[in-house]
Amino acid sequence: GQNIDQPTEMTATEGAIVQINCTYQTSGFNGLFWYQQHAGEAPTFLSYNVLDGLEEKGRFSSFLSRSKGYSYLLLKELQMKDSASYLCAVRPRSGAGSYQLTFGKGTKLSVIP
Amino acid sequence: DSGVTQTPKHLITATGQRVTLRCSPRSGDLSVYWYQQSLDQGLQFLIQYYNGEERAKGNILERFSAQQFPDLHSELNLSSLELGDSALYFCASSVPGRGSTDTQYFGPGTRLTVL
Repeated sequence: GQNIDQPTEMTATEGAIVQINCTYQTSGFNGLFWYQQHAGEAPTFLSYNVLDGLEEKGRFSSFLSRSKGYSYLLLKELQMKDSASYLCAVRPRSGAGSYQLTFGKGTKLSVIP
Repeated sequence: DSGVTQTPKHLITATGQRVTLRCSPRSGDLSVYWYQQSLDQGLQFLIQYYNGEERAKGNILERFSAQQFPDLHSELNLSSLELGDSALYFCASSVPGRGSTDTQYFGPGTRLTVL
C-alpha cells in the first residue's frame, strides 16, 4: 500500500519563501506530482518529479529524493493568491496502463500580509 | 481551464436515490479517472478507464459503477445513496503511454449533497 504524509496547515508571509514537505512509503514508485487546489475548485497541476533532484518552474520548485521517500515544494515570492491547499501525489509502479495516483491529505497554506 | 468538463456542477438528492455524473476528457486523452473528495479525507481514487476498458479500481463501493463510452466520455453511477456519499467528485483525464508523464488534468468537479 501507500502512505503519504504532509503537514496539515502552514502560514507564511507575503513575499517570503515557504517549503512544503511530503514523505511517502509506497510498494513501488513511478513519479511524484504536486497539485494546487483552491477551496471548492479542481486540483491544478504544478510539478512532476520522477528522478532525484530539483525541478524549477518559475516561482515554484519541487525536489525529490527517492532513497529517502521525500519531496518538497518550494514557493518563492509568495503572493496572496498562493493561499490554497497543496497536494502531494505518488504514482506507484503498477500494471500496464494503470496510472492511478495516491494523494496525501494536502497542506493548507495561508499567506498573510 | 483544464479542458475536462463535468456535469452537473451541483447535485442535491435524497438518501436511497440514484444519480449519474458525467465527464468529458480533454481532446485526445484516452484515460479517465474518477476521484472522491470529502471534507475529512483527501482525494480518493475510485476507478480508471482507458479507451473504453476498466484499467484500475480503487476504493469504489459496490453501489458505485462507471463506464467509458466509444466517444471517450465517462459516467459515474451512484446508487442507494447515503448521507456519507456527500462529497466532491472529480474526473481527471490523461494521455498515458511511453514517454508521457501521464499528468492528470482535473475537471471542475460535481458537488453531491445527499439529504
